[in-house]
Amino acid sequence: GEDVEQSLFLSVREGDSSVINCTYTDSSSTYLYWYKQEPGAGLQLLTYIFSNMDMKQDQRLTVLLNKKDKHLSLRIADTQTGDSAIYFCAADTGRRALTFGSGTRLQVQP
Amino acid sequence: ETGVTQTPRHLVMGMTNKKSLKCEQHLGHNAMYWYKQSAKKPLELMFVYSLEERVENNSVPSRFSPECPNSSHLFLHLHTLQPEDSALYLCASSQDGTGGTDTQYFGPGTRLTVL
Repeated sequence: GEDVEQSLFLSVREGDSSVINCTYTDSSSTYLYWYKQEPGAGLQLLTYIFSNMDMKQDQRLTVLLNKKDKHLSLRIADTQTGDSAIYFCAADTGRRALTFGSGTRLQVQP
Repeated sequence: ETGVTQTPRHLVMGMTNKKSLKCEQHLGHNAMYWYKQSAKKPLELMFVYSLEERVENNSVPSRFSPECPNSSHLFLHLHTLQPEDSALYLCASSQDGTGGTDTQYFGPGTRLTVL
């Protein structure tokens, strides 16, 4: 089955760019997602990318997809303290469900 | 603002208790999901319902029993749980449960502690 992996922790300074990385194993995944989870809250969909795209930009968020290496990244420009959260990468396995990574905790220092 | 609500937000129960988690979606969706989020594992899918019919059961122990009486409500009935079942239980809904661009919207979760 699909396996999705992420690094566990990232710390950046306010105003810097953050890059969160993710790798997946199932090359047939058609959609890849980034979710954000703030303390005490559920998951909020940030963005997703279709597998035939290399890049998608949405305001401060840029998603890069390297399908050959099965590598996905989320870049947050001008990171703010409000961006501190856990970020989950997820892959659509076509089974009506998503396979999630373990999440990357982003800490933004003032 | 999330259109998926879950109650209770926190629950503490003994191993011999019976309790139920409730999820309600106000988005007019046809599919609903239960996920388990524990400290040591990635988010795990438990059950999927589409048009009130269970379409996915991800090898979940029988001490977890889902119920979907209509497309807006989803329950998870709990009985004789184990301490390792302590986790955050997340409910989600989507338009039709087909994946792809069928975006899943999550509730805030119920934090369950089994003593």
